[in-house]
Amino acid sequence: GDSVTQMEGPVTLSEEAFLTINCTYTATGYPSLFWYVQYPGEGLQLLLKATKADDKGSNKGFEATYRKETTSFHLEKGSVQVSDSAVYFCALTLSGGSYIPTFGRGTSLIVHP
Amino acid sequence: DGGITQSPKYLFRKEGQNVTLSCEQNLNHDAMYWYRQDPGQGLRLIYYSQIVNDFQKGDIAEGYSVSREKKESFPLTVTSAQKNPTAFYLCASTGYYNSPLHFGNGTRLTVT
Repeated sequence: GDSVTQMEGPVTLSEEAFLTINCTYTATGYPSLFWYVQYPGEGLQLLLKATKADDKGSNKGFEATYRKETTSFHLEKGSVQVSDSAVYFCALTLSGGSYIPTFGRGTSLIVHP
Repeated sequence: DGGITQSPKYLFRKEGQNVTLSCEQNLNHDAMYWYRQDPGQGLRLIYYSQIVNDFQKGDIAEGYSVSREKKESFPLTVTSAQKNPTAFYLCASTGYYNSPLHFGNGTRLTVT
């Protein structure tokens, strides 16, 4: 079946450090890929998305590129802030399939001043 | 602004009582979902509905029930049969295939 694998957390960084959170997927078709962010005590919010191979999603300084050859969608940010501390979820949906997305288990990011 | 509203934010119940969590959306979305989130765990799908008056079980439906009488509303009942109901519950919706989910801000249920 379809699946999403994220690196385990927590990821702990100092402010202004470079961030990478790895995400790889397996899917039977051609998925759309998403990153969501969840701040403490809140629901998930869409951070960025990419709908086809080689697309780059970007938002708030975060970027991720849809790599079909490596089935990956790694999240990156050049300089993290304390306010980026949250849990990040990678997810996919399949075109023509059901409305049910597949989520990774989430990666907690802690940024220290 | 359009969005999803979950209420209440915090809910406390005694063991053995049924409790209903509210989820309302004004996004005109067809599909709605309920997820459960436990500390350090990912999202687990409880129930989903793709159209009014129809819904399907997710991965952990035992001890839960839902209804979808209106497009805007998808309430979740946590019954006394749910063995470990204390958790954070998230409602979500989406309008079409491959579009992102919109989430509410969750209800934290504590059962003692």
